[in-house]
Parts: sequence; structure tokens; C-alpha cells
Amino acid sequence: GIQVEQSPPDLILQEGANSTLRCNFSDSVNNLQWFHQNPWGQLINLFYIPSGTKQNGRLSATTVATERYSLLYISSSQTTDSGVYFCAVDLSGNTPLVFGKGTRLSVIA
Amino acid sequence: NAGVTQTPKFQVLKTGQSMTLQCAQDMNHEYMSWYRQDPGMGLRLIHYSVGAGITDQGEVPNGYNVSRSTTEDFPLRLLSAAPSQTSVYFCASKRGANYGYTFGSGTRLTVV
Repeated sequence: GIQVEQSPPDLILQEGANSTLRCNFSDSVNNLQWFHQNPWGQLINLFYIPSGTKQNGRLSATTVATERYSLLYISSSQTTDSGVYFCAVDLSGNTPLVFGKGTRLSVIA
Repeated sequence: NAGVTQTPKFQVLKTGQSMTLQCAQDMNHEYMSWYRQDPGMGLRLIHYSVGAGITDQGEVPNGYNVSRSTTEDFPLRLLSAAPSQTSVYFCASKRGANYGYTFGSGTRLTVV
């Protein structure tokens, strides 16, 4: 099956710093989503981004489908950005999401 | 729009008991999935459905049953609970093939 690898596994940032999270996948994908799991366990959809670039406030994401990777950028990080960031892909619209193991981000004041 | 609703939020079971985790969505989404999340691991797929009457197994289906008799509901049944099924369970749904998934808030299950 498809493999999804996220890096780095853990990241500690000072408040106000910028960061880039990476997601590599082993096959061509139909869909790609980035999620944030907050400290209360909720999974929040950040981006649905099978290709191209999207921005939402301080967060942006870029997927280069031909090279099988996606990047999530967090600028001017805040303590509320802490949690685990997951990348998930599916091979076709009719197959379910396969998740990476996540990047655990801690933002300290 | 309530989104994806999971009940209960917390549950403690004794080994061997059975129970049903409920998942309902009011967005008329065709696709629904169940995942489990264990410490240090990502989310692993248990079962999924691409429409009413259609279900399929995921990566870790053993010990779980599902059915999809309506578009709105996708219950997950634990047949005989085991301590290895202690986990957080998430249900998700999406409108169609080229849409993103929305997740419920999860059910934290402990089997003693």
C-alpha cells in the first residue's frame, strides 16, 4: 500500500518563529489533506490540497504531486499552534485516507 | 449543521462485553470511515463505506463490524471487547470522491 512519511517527527519552536513540515508519499495520489490535532484531541482539517498552493492566514501549504511531496508552512507561530500535524492521502476518490505518523509541534512562549 | 457526531465521548468496557459506537452526519455525505488512534501512531483505518449498503475492510478490521443502512449513520460494533481495543476512535465523512474528509470529535474507549 501507499506509504506516507512525515518529517520532522518532533519540532520545538519559540513563539514567533516560522516552520516547514514535510509529507512524502510513495505513489500518485488523488487527494491530500493536512490536519491539526489539538491538545484536546480534535482533528481539524487545515487544507484539502491535491496539488498547488493554498493559504489560510498564517498557514499555507504546497503540494507538488509530480514529485510526491507536500509542505505545510507555519509563520509567526503561536502557542495555540501546538499539537500534532497529520498529512493524509488517498489513491483515488473511492479509497479512504492513509495517514502519516504526524509531526508533533510544541510552541513555547 | 451538526457535522459528524460521535457518541459516546467516553466509554469503559469489561473484556468480553459488546457495544456499538455511533457515528451520524447530517451533511448528506456519501463516504464514511472509521479509524482508531493509538499512542505514538497515526490513524489506522478499520472500515469504510462509499455509500449506503456498501462497506469494506480497512487495515485493522478484526473484532469490529459495520453496516451502512442509511446515508446518515455508520455504527461500529465491537463484538467481544478486548484490552487491545483500548483506543480513541474517529469517524469521518466526505461528500464525494474529490472532497476532503471531516472528522468527528472521537470516542475514547477503555477496555479493562
